[in-house]
Amino acid sequence: GDSVTQMEGPVTLSEEAFLTINCTYTATGYPSLFWYVQYPGEGLQLLLKATKADDKGSNKGFEATYRKETTSFHLEKGSVQVSDSAVYFCALSGDNAGNMLTFGGGTRLMVKP
Amino acid sequence: NAGVTQTPKFQVLKTGQSMTLQCAQDMNHEYMSWYRQDPGMGLRLIHYSVGAGITDQGEVPNGYNVSRSTTEDFPLRLLSAAPSQTSVYFCASRTTAGNQPQHFGDGTRLSIL
Repeated sequence: GDSVTQMEGPVTLSEEAFLTINCTYTATGYPSLFWYVQYPGEGLQLLLKATKADDKGSNKGFEATYRKETTSFHLEKGSVQVSDSAVYFCALSGDNAGNMLTFGGGTRLMVKP
Repeated sequence: NAGVTQTPKFQVLKTGQSMTLQCAQDMNHEYMSWYRQDPGMGLRLIHYSVGAGITDQGEVPNGYNVSRSTTEDFPLRLLSAAPSQTSVYFCASRTTAGNQPQHFGDGTRLSIL
């Protein structure tokens, strides 16, 4: 079945540092890929998405490129802020009824001033 | 707009008790789903529905029932609560249009003693 693997956290960075959170996936067919963010005490919010190979999703300074050859969708940001502290989830939407999501385990990011 | 509304936000149950977690959405979305979030495991799909009167099992359906009598509501029932069901539960909905993201509620934190 489908699966998503992302780097374990927590990841602790200083403000303005470069961020990479690795995500790789296993899926049949051609899934869509997503990054969701969860701030403390809240639900998940869509951060960005990519629907086909070589697409780049971007939002709020975050970027991720759909790499089919390496089955990866790594999240990057050039300069993190304290307000980026949250848990980040990589997910895919596969060829199942309703296109339900398969999630990675989540990576907690802590940004210190 | 309210989006996806979950009630209650917090609940403590004793082993063997039953209860219903409520989920309502006001976006006229066809697809609705329930996930549970456990540390290090991301979100796992419990049950989902692709429309009123249609439900199906996800990855971890045992111990839970769902029904979908209206487009707006998708309640999740715990028949006989067990400590292993201690978790944070998220309801989500999305439109049938291809590759659209899911919208999540703020979650219900459930503890089974």
